[in-house]
Amino acid sequence: SQELEQSPQSLIVQEGKNLTINCTSSKTLYGLYWYKQKYGEGLIFLMMLQKGGEEKSHEKITAKLDEKKQQSSLHITASQPSHAGIYLCGADNDMRFGAGTRLTVKP
Amino acid sequence: DGGITQSPKYLFRKEGQNVTLSCEQNLNHDAMYWYRQDPGQGLRLIYYSQIVNDFQKGDIAEGYSVSREKKESFPLTVTSAQKNPTAFYLCASRPGRTNEKLFFGSGTQLSVL
Repeated sequence: SQELEQSPQSLIVQEGKNLTINCTSSKTLYGLYWYKQKYGEGLIFLMMLQKGGEEKSHEKITAKLDEKKQQSSLHITASQPSHAGIYLCGADNDMRFGAGTRLTVKP
Repeated sequence: DGGITQSPKYLFRKEGQNVTLSCEQNLNHDAMYWYRQDPGQGLRLIYYSQIVNDFQKGDIAEGYSVSREKKESFPLTVTSAQKNPTAFYLCASRPGRTNEKLFFGSGTQLSVL
């Protein structure tokens, strides 16, 4: 199965700051998902990337998939307390997920 | 409204007892998945099913069993063989095999008495 490593494991930022979360795969990614989770709740879909070099944005969140399709980054601009939660990347071909990045945004 | 429903939200298990977690979807999705999440960790795949009457083991299937008798239902049984069942369990579904996002239920928190 595909192994996905996320970094950092946790992140604390001041409100208004930018941040980046990374997801690295042991194999070529044929589709990568980003989800957000509030603790103790289900996952909310953010976006899916399929093509090398692809970039997608939703509000203040931008995700990219590198040309080699083995690494993805998720960037949040001008973070807000509403961005707090756990961010998880998942591989489309086998639906395995990374361990998640826990984001705290301090007001 | 279409969606995926998990019940109950909280469940308690006694020693040596089997318990069943319910997962129902009315999205007409073919594929369904069960994940386990431990505190501070990501999702680990327990079982999945691509079609009715067929399912495959995921990475941590020991101590769990599933059935897929109907397209809309994919119950998970946590057996007494699962020695550390306390966790948050998530069910998900999607239309087909690839290139389709997963829709998640709201989860069941299982605890041992």
